[in-house]
Amino acid sequence: AQTVTQSQPEMSVQEAETVTLSCTYDTSESDYYLFWYKQPPSRQMILVIRQEAYKQQNATENRFSVNFQKAAKSFSLKISDSQLGDAAMYFCAYRVPNSGYALNFGKGTSLLVTP
Amino acid sequence: DGGITQSPKYLFRKEGQNVTLSCEQNLNHDAMYWYRQDPGQGLRLIYYSQIVNDFQKGDIAEGYSVSREKKESFPLTVTSAQKNPTAFYLCASVNSRRESQHFGDGTRLSIL
Repeated sequence: AQTVTQSQPEMSVQEAETVTLSCTYDTSESDYYLFWYKQPPSRQMILVIRQEAYKQQNATENRFSVNFQKAAKSFSLKISDSQLGDAAMYFCAYRVPNSGYALNFGKGTSLLVTP
Repeated sequence: DGGITQSPKYLFRKEGQNVTLSCEQNLNHDAMYWYRQDPGQGLRLIYYSQIVNDFQKGDIAEGYSVSREKKESFPLTVTSAQKNPTAFYLCASVNSRRESQHFGDGTRLSIL
């Protein structure tokens, strides 16, 4: 079974600084998708960024970028110029191709942004 | 605007009672999913459905049941066999291109 591990239960960053959230996963597949979702206190799940495994180029969405290391099975999220609104739980997820494309989630990292 | 609607937002269950959580989408998505979220945990898959009248168990299906009679609707019933139902439940859907999942706003279920 595929597993997703987020080793940092909590992280803190000062406003305008950069923070990196870690994620590792285990799979025997060669083609798959990886995601980062944000869950603010409202509990809504918001897609932050998506990476397709066959693409070597790291995905970027404005202030959010990933460092995808396929051989190491690592998928970290970098948030640049952190803002107070970035404070949330962040979940790394792996899309399971043989389970109806459901998502397998890590346990999450709680990000605190300080002024 | 298209989206996923979950209702109710809060739900209370008495001992021995079955309760049903509603999930409706107007995105014309084929596949729908139910996840459970406990404190300090990520989301865990309960059931999923890729087409009408067909659904599959996820990792924690025991004590739950679903139906998919219409493409737009995927209700989840929490039965009395689920001994620890207190959690936050999220419904999601994805289009035929299997792109990113869209989530509803969730239902919080508690025991009275």
